[in-house]
Amino acid sequence: GQQVMQIPQYQHVQEGEDFTTYCNSSTTLSNIQWYKQRPGGHPVFLIQLVKSGEVKKQKRLTFQFGEAKKNSSLHITATQTTDVGTYFCAPGGYGGATNKLIFGTGTLLAVQP
Amino acid sequence: DTGVSQDPRHKITKRGQNVTFRCDPISEHNRLYWYRQTLGQGPEFLTYFQNEAQLEKSRLLSDRFSAERPKGSFSTLEIQRTEQGDSAMYLCASSLDRDRINYGYTFGSGTRLTVV
Repeated sequence: GQQVMQIPQYQHVQEGEDFTTYCNSSTTLSNIQWYKQRPGGHPVFLIQLVKSGEVKKQKRLTFQFGEAKKNSSLHITATQTTDVGTYFCAPGGYGGATNKLIFGTGTLLAVQP
Repeated sequence: DTGVSQDPRHKITKRGQNVTFRCDPISEHNRLYWYRQTLGQGPEFLTYFQNEAQLEKSRLLSDRFSAERPKGSFSTLEIQRTEQGDSAMYLCASSLDRDRINYGYTFGSGTRLTVV
């Protein structure tokens, strides 16, 4: 199955600093989704990327899908304490058909006020 | 619709007992998934349904685990003869998949199972 490596596993930032997490695959992905899980909560869907080189923004969050569709990143500008949580990338199925999402270990973000 | 509902929220059981969890997905969603999550790990895929058909079951899942989705609505996940290693958060999610496009999963709050 499709496996992705997400780095870093943990990041501690001061409030106001930027944060980036990277998702890397050895195989070409048909699509990738990003989720956020607050401590004690459940994963919440953030976005889906499908096209090569795609960039999408949600307020302070910028999501990018690599040209080769083998990597993706999530960048948060000027972090806030509300950004605390674990961010997961999850590639979808094969060949354009999404069967199931496979989650990696995620990146845990801690924000110090 | 209030989202994906899971019941119970917490379950403590003795080793060897059977447990059953229920998930009520978003009514407009045609797919339903079960995942398991342990501390510090991402959700691990268990099985999924499209309507009432169980389309895939993880090879990691032992025969003690079974899931159903009668009539394509709610789903149940049963674990027989529970073991301590089954202790985890069991997450249910649903999604709308149409024309080979998935519109993101909506997760429930999960059922936390503790096997003592």
